Amino acid sequence: GAVVSQHPSWVICKSGTSVKIECRSLDFQATTMFWYRQFPKQSLMLMATSNEGSKATYEQGVEKDKFLINHASLTLSTLTVTSAHPEDSSFYICSARDQRLDQETQYFGPGTRLLVL
Amino acid sequence: AQTVTQSQPEMSVQEAETVTLSCTYDTSESDYYLFWYKQPPSRQMILVIRQEAYKQQNATENRFSVNFQKAAKSFSLKISDSQLGDAAMYFCAYGDTGTASKLTFGTGTRLQVTL
Repeated sequence: GAVVSQHPSWVICKSGTSVKIECRSLDFQATTMFWYRQFPKQSLMLMATSNEGSKATYEQGVEKDKFLINHASLTLSTLTVTSAHPEDSSFYICSARDQRLDQETQYFGPGTRLLVL
Repeated sequence: AQTVTQSQPEMSVQEAETVTLSCTYDTSESDYYLFWYKQPPSRQMILVIRQEAYKQQNATENRFSVNFQKAAKSFSLKISDSQLGDAAMYFCAYGDTGTASKLTFGTGTRLQVTL
């Protein structure tokens, strides 16, 4: 149980285009999902907390208009990188909590590698 | 704000031996959770072990165990009988309680396992 998937696993796009990344909880419902960014050889940095049916909560310094988050169902959250630029190239990871088990442990997706040319 | 410190950027252990990864944290809360996650080269984050701060007993999961010292705000991970598959980046993480709980990660320790 507690499996989280992400799609796509990697994407290359041109500068100025938008890219959507999907995060799905496969065998459980997740009212809360999290989006992280990880640069090479660095730790995970929380970008935002995605709440089903309400607006996402963004961490300080994260542009909400740049990184659009939608959590329209209990099993799907999406992150859209709008007008992507090379500095947005990174590894994006989502996580979700299985509240049937506990409210505290986050289960992570396999990540999405984004390269903006 | 909570902070998590992993002072060992890299560690090495021989196969079948035991290694301990260090983690310290800072918080003013009395109730919280601590985690160790493993990130192998695939970059999939895998939960290794978790500890509830209100529990005095150290958590164990097969070959993995923790030494949780609440007063010292220390949370080390011991890996016994190390295997080649244990080679990965290990992240210590602090989590608030409640439905809005967030994780704060340390900078990670890269573990090498040698023959």
